[in-house]
Amino acid sequence: DADVTQTPRNRITKTGKRIMLECSQTKGHDRMYWYRQDPGLGLQLIYYSFDVKDINKGEISDGYSVSRQAQAKFSLSLESAIPNQTALYFCATSLGGSRADTQYFGPGTRLTVL
Amino acid sequence: KQEVTQIPAALSVPEGENLVLNCSFTDSAIYNLQWFRQDPGKGLTSLLLIQSSQREQTSGRLNASLDKSSGRSTLYIAASQPGDSATYLCAVQSGGSNYKLTFGKGTLLTVNP
Repeated sequence: DADVTQTPRNRITKTGKRIMLECSQTKGHDRMYWYRQDPGLGLQLIYYSFDVKDINKGEISDGYSVSRQAQAKFSLSLESAIPNQTALYFCATSLGGSRADTQYFGPGTRLTVL
Repeated sequence: KQEVTQIPAALSVPEGENLVLNCSFTDSAIYNLQWFRQDPGKGLTSLLLIQSSQREQTSGRLNASLDKSSGRSTLYIAASQPGDSATYLCAVQSGGSNYKLTFGKGTLLTVNP
């Protein structure tokens, strides 16, 4: 079984709808992250969480919110989806605490907002 | 602000060739540099991580080097295979914020049989 899973894998929705993307991990890591990837661009950090009680905005948090329900679960919500939020969304986890802190990525969710 | 550039954007080589992918970054105050592989429909897979105090890391046919003072890294792939075809992403974890990865846009590698 995959260590980092994301649901759904694909989603098509309409402008103005509320959408939730979910991420679960079995790696036992404290740190979790949400990124988006747009064609021809690098990955951009949306939100990150170092533990259940610690949530922080990343580079592009406007229009997004997150919830860290447990160590293993980190959800990303789009309160009112808009077309320019069409992108590939990745969840990632890391152990933290060192200068060799590798991030482990989920398979991604392809979101299309019409 | 840290910026990461990858050259070339795309590369096509015949099977068996050795090849080099390049990555440059603007701020040398980094914790580490990481190379990832991205396959279509799949997430990113970490290939190699080089800490700021290290010069290179090797894993199988892959060798990554780091010259922090000049802001450069290379990923060397020996004896390329069609299964190496993927997008390769370089990312730096910057000093002062030990969580943030700044990614390049990637190099799309195609290895032709």
